Amino acid sequence: GAGVSQSPSNKVTEKGKDVELRCDPISGHTALYWYRQSLGQGLEFLIYFQGNSAPDKSGLPSDRFSAERTGGSVSTLTIQRTQQEDSAVYLCASSLGGTSGGAYNEQFFGPGTRLTVL
Amino acid sequence: GESVGLHLPTLSVQEGDNSIINCAYSNSASDYFIWYKQESGKGPQFIIDIRSNMDKRQGQRVTVLLNKTVKHLSLQIAATQPGDSAVYFCAERRANDYKLSFGAGTTVTVRA
Repeated sequence: GAGVSQSPSNKVTEKGKDVELRCDPISGHTALYWYRQSLGQGLEFLIYFQGNSAPDKSGLPSDRFSAERTGGSVSTLTIQRTQQEDSAVYLCASSLGGTSGGAYNEQFFGPGTRLTVL
Repeated sequence: GESVGLHLPTLSVQEGDNSIINCAYSNSASDYFIWYKQESGKGPQFIIDIRSNMDKRQGQRVTVLLNKTVKHLSLQIAATQPGDSAVYFCAERRANDYKLSFGAGTTVTVRA
């Protein structure tokens, strides 16, 4: 079975441009997450989707960041007017979700999109 | 504030030896503690989790120990192999919450 896929794998853009990052979760996974990982750092939570709704957008660093999910599947993370501090690896993960037990503990991560803002 | 962190940023281990990776946490309200492994160029991969009402859990070649008294979590890897070279993250989660809070990571290098 296919894992989580992300595209593009690498993106180089100029400051001020908009970028879209795509995530294809594992089929049947209702929960989807976006994280950001700066060089040598841990994972910073950005946003969580349950189905198509995003009950928690608290991790988005500014209003330049937005995300959507359609059909309970593919998600896109959009960064408008990119800044150099946006340079990082953007990771998407999915999980079965559910409210009981450790259902959210095992998240399946994609390989990430490395974003470089010049 | 609440945080999950690691004692040491790097660990060098001889192949075949046992590895111990440590993690300190401050959020006593966490219900789950989880270990992830991230190989170079890949996303993190789930290794094992432990619920806060347990103090030990074993998996394949790995054991997680939880000491709630001192808020300490450790991951033990038996007979470390070259394929174990990676960055290891501890994370915590509260029940009824979907969010994982990750620590900064420990880089494990296995010497041949």
